[in-house]
Parts: sequence; structure tokens; C-alpha cells
Amino acid sequence: GQNIDQPTEMTATEGAIVQINCTYQTSGFNGLFWYQQHAGEAPTFLSYNVLDGLEEKGRFSSFLSRSKGYSYLLLKELQMKDSASYLCAVRDPSQAGTALIFGKGTTLSVSS
Amino acid sequence: DAGVIQSPRHEVTEMGQEVTLRCKPISGHDYLFWYRQTMMRGLELLIYFNNNVPIDDSGMPEDRFSAKMPNASFSTLKIQPSEPRDSAVYFCASSFALLAGPPGGTQYFGPGTRLTVL
Repeated sequence: GQNIDQPTEMTATEGAIVQINCTYQTSGFNGLFWYQQHAGEAPTFLSYNVLDGLEEKGRFSSFLSRSKGYSYLLLKELQMKDSASYLCAVRDPSQAGTALIFGKGTTLSVSS
Repeated sequence: DAGVIQSPRHEVTEMGQEVTLRCKPISGHDYLFWYRQTMMRGLELLIYFNNNVPIDDSGMPEDRFSAKMPNASFSTLKIQPSEPRDSAVYFCASSFALLAGPPGGTQYFGPGTRLTVL
């Protein structure tokens, strides 16, 4: 079957670093996306990994290990506006027609 | 570009009524997706279209749900009759490609329709 696991909630303070983990079990793999979703808003694209290793984009970085079925999103120099839900999504082309499989998201609360 | 447009933003209806949700994808995007998001189940794919043709509707919960895409710039998701368990946020998303990295393979989401069925 297909399964994507993320912690439900995390808390951190302004200026800190936080790592949000995602583990997945899918039949196939063709890329992993991270989306950010503020309360009451649409998910917006943050990062993409298809090969093993680290992708850095400003304060945000994402890591992938395909052999371990594992990814993490690293947020540095946290700001209050980073309080949001972070969704891990895996593309599994082995599933007929399935485009993206989303985890349930990790709600991050940043306090001052 | 204005992004993906959805209407209405909020819908409150009574059980048994018909509900129609609307979506305008980003111009030039060949793929359109309908998702449903609830606290319990997260974000789930209901159906997606490629060049206006439904490709996979295995996520549609039951026959009460139907979706159409009469042209490249418009899609509808209809629930008839609606039930309280259909209450959720329904998102429409579009992308240029399906199996590609960003930007072509990135799905861009609309603001969603929050549906409440009483």
C-alpha cells in the first residue's frame, strides 16, 4: 500500500532551526514535494527532490534518501510567518493515474 | 497570471441539495486536479483531467460525485445529493505536466471552496 508519515505537530521559537521529517512507503517513486499551507489558505509549493541529497533554497532546505524512504524539510532562522502546516507529497507513477499522494501535514507553531 | 480561480469560496447547504463547485485553471496548464481536504484524511485526490479528458476518477467517493471539464478553462465538481460527511475544503489545482519537476510538474492550487452540509 501507500503510506506517508509526518509528525502531527511541532513547536519552535523565532530564530531557531526546525526539521520536519517525512517517511514514505510507496510502490513507485518519481519525486517528492514539500508544500506550505497557512491556515485557511491553499497549499503553495516549497521544494522538490527527485535525487538523493540536499536541495537548498534560502532559509528552506529539503533532503531526500530514496533507499530509506525518507525526507526532511529544514527551516532556518524561523520567523512567526513560518507558522503553517507543511505537507509532504510523493509522486508514485506505479499507481494508475495517481499524481501526488499527500501526507496529513505537520502543523508548525513558531513563538516569540 | 491570476492563478487558479475557484468559486464559491464558501458554500453552506442542507443535506440533499445539489452543490456545484467551479474551477478555472491557469491558462496553458494541461492538467487539472480536484482534491478534498479534511482533518481526518488530509488532502485526497478525487479526480484529474488531462486536456479536458478525465484520466483517473478512482478517488471519487461515490456516484453522488461527478466532475466535468467542458473546455480548457473551466471545470465543475458536482455533489448530488449532498450529505453532512461531504463537508470539507475542496481544492482545484493545475499543472503544465504530470511527471516532471518544477516548474512544469508543480501543481498550483486554487484558494479552495469550504463546503458545509447541514
